[in-house]
Amino acid sequence: GQSLEQPSEVTAVEGAIVQINCTYQTSGFYGLSWYQQHDGGAPTFLSYNALDGLEETGRFSSFLSRSDSYGYLLLQELQMKDSASYFCAVSPAGTALIFGKGTTLSVSS
Amino acid sequence: DTAVSQTPKYLVTQMGNDKSIKCEQNLGHDTMYWYKQDSKKFLKIMFSYNNKELIINETVPNRFSPKSPDKAHLNLHINSLELGDSAVYFCASSRMVGGATRNTIYFGEGSWLTVV
Repeated sequence: GQSLEQPSEVTAVEGAIVQINCTYQTSGFYGLSWYQQHDGGAPTFLSYNALDGLEETGRFSSFLSRSDSYGYLLLQELQMKDSASYFCAVSPAGTALIFGKGTTLSVSS
Repeated sequence: DTAVSQTPKYLVTQMGNDKSIKCEQNLGHDTMYWYKQDSKKFLKIMFSYNNKELIINETVPNRFSPKSPDKAHLNLHINSLELGDSAVYFCASSRMVGGATRNTIYFGEGSWLTVV
């Protein structure tokens, strides 16, 4: 089977930096993805790491260490609009994404 | 212009009824999915179709039956609805490259199902 672990909640203030960790156990591995979901909205793709290292996209970065079965999403210069749920996901068999239980990020002023 | 569209967006129905949710994607993707999101926001894969062929059928009651008339459509029919079926159902699509699903999945806006 597969499992993904991520913190259930994280709080931070505007302008801060937040790191959301994700550890996974999976029978197969085709990379680690991150999705964002605002309340009442659909999950939307943020980033994808197939290889070890850091991927940067604007204020958001994602890191992967395959040897440690670990990754994280780094959000910089936090804004109120970043308040949302963040999901890490893997595709063990290359057929569908399996999601973690999500981390609710609350950004306050 | 909507990439993945699903209808209805909201559905309130009584226990025991049968209902369907329709989904269409105009992205030219060959793989479509149904995910269920419960009240704790846990996103669980239910079904996956590739070119109209069922490739994933997770442990889902057989009251749930997906139907894919073509690779742009994947509908979900639910028989004998139960209170526990209340959830948000997301349709999604992606490309399959080299036998593996690309990790960018595009979700529809969700269908909020409430069974009373």
